[in-house]
Amino acid sequence: TAGITQAPTSQILAAGRSMTLRCTQDMRHNAMYWYRQDLGLGLRLIHYSNTAGTTGKGEVPDGYSVSRANTDDFPLTLASAVPSQTSVYFCASSESGADTQYFGPGTRLTVL
Amino acid sequence: GNSVTQMEGPVTLSEEAFLTINCTYTATGYPSLFWYVQYPGEGLQLLLKATKADDKGSNKGFEATYRKETTSFHLEKGSVQVSDSAVYFCALSPGNTPLVFGKGTRLSVIA
Repeated sequence: TAGITQAPTSQILAAGRSMTLRCTQDMRHNAMYWYRQDLGLGLRLIHYSNTAGTTGKGEVPDGYSVSRANTDDFPLTLASAVPSQTSVYFCASSESGADTQYFGPGTRLTVL
Repeated sequence: GNSVTQMEGPVTLSEEAFLTINCTYTATGYPSLFWYVQYPGEGLQLLLKATKADDKGSNKGFEATYRKETTSFHLEKGSVQVSDSAVYFCALSPGNTPLVFGKGTRLSVIA
């Protein structure tokens, strides 16, 4: 079982450009999440989805958008990237909002 | 609100030393508690969890006991190995909402 896959593995992006980070899970989990990880700040929740068709804002949602058209996919879009969005981005999923979360391998994004 | 506080690192230990990483929490209700581990260059993976007071989670020689009276979930291991070098995250689940994570503690074990 692949679990959670993320693409791309890493990306360098010019400021002002748009980018979509992809996340796919094959566990049929209801809930999915996007986090960013910055040195010294741990993990911060960007957006989440408790079930297909619904999304919610996390701790740091500004500058990011998500959609959940189906159970398996949860893309994260940066409409106009800024250098402060340089980070490692992790996607995760769980059966429900209160359950163990399973994480993808991450996408390292650098915005110049 | 819900929050997790864990000891700041980095923690550096010699191989076979005893490990404790402190974690305390603030939550409404009765959350589930988790420890996640992140090895270099990888995503987080569940290490252990406890779902109610006095439960002990254990895995790979690590243990943590859910202490409601002290609102704590300290991680312990009796004898660490070099391969345990990683970042450890304490987290809580307050209910049907996303997990709340601590800031992580980096552990380095030297031979």
